[in-house]
Amino acid sequence: AQSVSQHNHHVILSEAASLELGCNYSYGGTVNLFWYVQYPGQHLQLLLKYFSGDPLVKGIKGFEAEFIKSKFSFNLRKPSVQWSDTAEYFCAAHNNAGNMLTFGGGTRLMVKP
Amino acid sequence: ETGVTQSPTHLIKTRGQQVTLRCSSQSGHNTVSWYQQALGQGPQFIFQYYREEENGRGNFPPRFSGLQFPNYSSELNVNALELDDSALYLCASSLGAGTGGYEQYFGPGTRLTVT
Repeated sequence: AQSVSQHNHHVILSEAASLELGCNYSYGGTVNLFWYVQYPGQHLQLLLKYFSGDPLVKGIKGFEAEFIKSKFSFNLRKPSVQWSDTAEYFCAAHNNAGNMLTFGGGTRLMVKP
Repeated sequence: ETGVTQSPTHLIKTRGQQVTLRCSSQSGHNTVSWYQQALGQGPQFIFQYYREEENGRGNFPPRFSGLQFPNYSSELNVNALELDDSALYLCASSLGAGTGGYEQYFGPGTRLTVT
């Protein structure tokens, strides 16, 4: 069965620090990968997605992620975080049929001003 | 363009009761997926509806059922509520379903509390 794991449950950073959130998936077929963000009191929003092509994908708000097929990873990065990046971040993968998103457990990021 | 909307926002039910949650998909979207998000966890896929037909189901018992209407809005019904059904229920809509990898747009969710 497909699964997605996020190793960091809670991350605390100071503003301007660099961010990397880990995501690993276990799935043998073609996979589409996503990062979603949930700001306090708001609904899930898509940060970025990977379907095919360039494994380095850029999303909104300065976020990027790199798909490394050999490592089954799709880590999220941002060179310099801001206080407004405080949120919960979810990695997700689409199955082959494209009808089911499997989410990781989420990483709660707190950025201290 | 109107986003995904869900109603009600909050709901409190008693164990054993039945509940219906509603979702209006984003304009132009014909596919709706439902997820359950327990506190402190990531969303878990319940099922998906594509053009009024169930198009995949996660590991949820049959007392979780759904419906999609001709205007592509959708309902999630849960019978014989259990305490563990307390969660945030998320609806997501997309332009289609299948191996194209359609992006899903999420609504704000319905917070269900079962006492």
